[in-house]
Amino acid sequence: QTVVTQEPSFSVSPGGTVTLTCGLSSGSVSTTYYPSWYQQTPGQAPRTLIYSTDIRSSGVPDRFSGSILGNKAALTITGAQADDESDYYCVLYMGSGINWVFGGGTKLTVL
Amino acid sequence: EAQLVESGGGLVQPGGSLRLSCAASRFSFSSYEMTWLRQAPGKGLEWVSYIGNSGGTPYYADSVKGRFTISRDNAKNSLYLQMNSLRAEDTAVYYCARVSSSLRFDPWGQGTQVTVSS
Repeated sequence: QTVVTQEPSFSVSPGGTVTLTCGLSSGSVSTTYYPSWYQQTPGQAPRTLIYSTDIRSSGVPDRFSGSILGNKAALTITGAQADDESDYYCVLYMGSGINWVFGGGTKLTVL
Repeated sequence: EAQLVESGGGLVQPGGSLRLSCAASRFSFSSYEMTWLRQAPGKGLEWVSYIGNSGGTPYYADSVKGRFTISRDNAKNSLYLQMNSLRAEDTAVYYCARVSSSLRFDPWGQGTQVTVSS
């Protein structure tokens, strides 16, 4: 059973920089997993931030960036703003058959 | 801008059935793969099922395999999820999403609530 790991929670000061990560319980995340990141605020549908590791979705501010850091996918927010306070989910494409697995999500607090 | 609107959610007893629909507009529906995802109350997102642009072999998460059936009608720009043998743990908001380039889910519909309870 593949488990995708994310930090349950994170806190950042306004204007600060934070890096959220997305790992695997066994093995390393690489670009072949097509990691993508979604932002969700309460009561709303998720919004695509980053896909295929580091491609910013249309309309997403450039303070959001994606990368591979070590053996994990990473979402970095540079210059965090109050309205970045949300839940962030990564998802990995597992490839065998058609199968995606989400991480448990990171609740980001900006204070 | 592409739009997806889900419908068909509601309250159903354990063991019951429900059929969700997803109406697509403002894009060429028949050109895209589609998927269903869900989010249980207070929990994270879970991928549920996938279907190719012209149908073909569907794929399911292990948690719903054998109970749920995904289908589509390209003439009606619609995606469906037939859910049978429903369990309490199937209670969730169900979203449909387009599988866009590089295997991302975009856009998402607004979701439809499914509650399985006696």
